[in-house]
Amino acid sequence: DIQLTQSPSFLSASVGDRVTITCRASQGIRNYLAWYQQQPEKAPKLLIYATSTLQSGVPSRFSGSGSGTEFTLTISSLQPEDFATYYCQQLSSYPRTFGQGTTVEI
Amino acid sequence: EVQLVESGGGLVQPGGSLRLSCTTSGFTFSSYTMTWVRQVPGQGLESVSGISGGAKTIYYTDSVRGRFTVSRDNSKNTLYLQMNSLRVEDTAVYYCAKGRPQDQGFDSWGQGTLVSVSS
Repeated sequence: DIQLTQSPSFLSASVGDRVTITCRASQGIRNYLAWYQQQPEKAPKLLIYATSTLQSGVPSRFSGSGSGTEFTLTISSLQPEDFATYYCQQLSSYPRTFGQGTTVEI
Repeated sequence: EVQLVESGGGLVQPGGSLRLSCTTSGFTFSSYTMTWVRQVPGQGLESVSGISGGAKTIYYTDSVRGRFTVSRDNSKNTLYLQMNSLRVEDTAVYYCAKGRPQDQGFDSWGQGTLVSVSS
């Protein structure tokens, strides 16, 4: 199975901060990388797919980049509603594994 | 509007069985890969099983292979997960998720159903 490692696991930030989360894959996954946001007690929400394509309705302060084995999610200016847990996911092979998550806290 | 609604969760003893259902609406169900994803409370996400639109491609994570069976009824727009020989470590919230085209993410999720395996 392809392993995804996110860093950091926890991040303390303030409203207005620029935040970057990294996701490293144990082998190349081309551009088959997605990012999700999960609020407490809620289902995950797709933010970005195909490494850098914003899902419909997602604010433009979210962006994704990367290739091969290293990928990043950037929030350009953190808003109060962005405090949540973020997961990367690879869809290059089965099973569709997730990273362990990054919790963004105030 | 796309809607996914899971049902069938509950409390079961180790070794028991449950059948989860995911009833969908708002999209052409037969055209999309569907996946079951689980989450132990307070922990991360795990893809459990997926099935392509025509059910020709099916996968399972290693820990459930041979115990869980995924299926779909495209005439009823419903996804299923038959879970047998349940273990304590299968305790989790189970979500069904709809795949985007070309395997690029899961763009709609249900609210989840809790499966608790305990004696």
